[in-house]
Amino acid sequence: EAGVVQSPRYKIIEKKQPVAFWCNPISGHNTLYWYRQNLGQGPELLIRYENEEAVDDSQLPKDRFSAERLKGVDSTLKIQPAELGDSAVYLCASSLGAPRETQYFGPGTRLLVL
Amino acid sequence: GIQVEQSPPDLILQEGANSTLRCNFSDSVNNLQWFHQNPWGQLINLFYIPSGTKQNGRLSATTVATERYSLLYISSSQTTDSGVYFCAGGGTSYGKLTFGQGTILTVHP
Repeated sequence: EAGVVQSPRYKIIEKKQPVAFWCNPISGHNTLYWYRQNLGQGPELLIRYENEEAVDDSQLPKDRFSAERLKGVDSTLKIQPAELGDSAVYLCASSLGAPRETQYFGPGTRLLVL
Repeated sequence: GIQVEQSPPDLILQEGANSTLRCNFSDSVNNLQWFHQNPWGQLINLFYIPSGTKQNGRLSATTVATERYSLLYISSSQTTDSGVYFCAGGGTSYGKLTFGQGTILTVHP
């Protein structure tokens, strides 16, 4: 069974530039999550999708962050414009859905904003 | 929201030693998971354990939901066990996990 796929694995951009991250969850997983992990900390949830619907985006900085999950499979997370403080690892995870909520994580995208 | 506190923050072991990692929650959880983040950054799910005890090889976990804590036991540690161990809990909102700060484990040969 293929795991969660993310791309790119690394991204270096200058501040004020846009950036996008892509995630393909495990086949059959209805729930998809985007997390941000700062250095030395645990991941923090940005947004959670149930199929195509964003059911929890309370932690997403909506002035510059946006996300979509068209057709309830792949998802894209975008930052525009990026700021220095956005440097972090962006993790995507998926799960079958409640009550089987075991979450499986992708390898992450390491973003560096200069 | 739920607060998650992990202890100890750092742990250094010799290969073959046993260890216990602890996770305390500020409120009741109905979704509790333990993860291992390897040195390359990959988060691997170890246990989904909102209550009770589970074992998987040298690892086992126990959650006492009524007392709001969970324990992860690592026996006969190996160098490949090194990395960061996170626990994460969720309350009434299924799927919304709050992660602790992690325990950094270093196992020396």
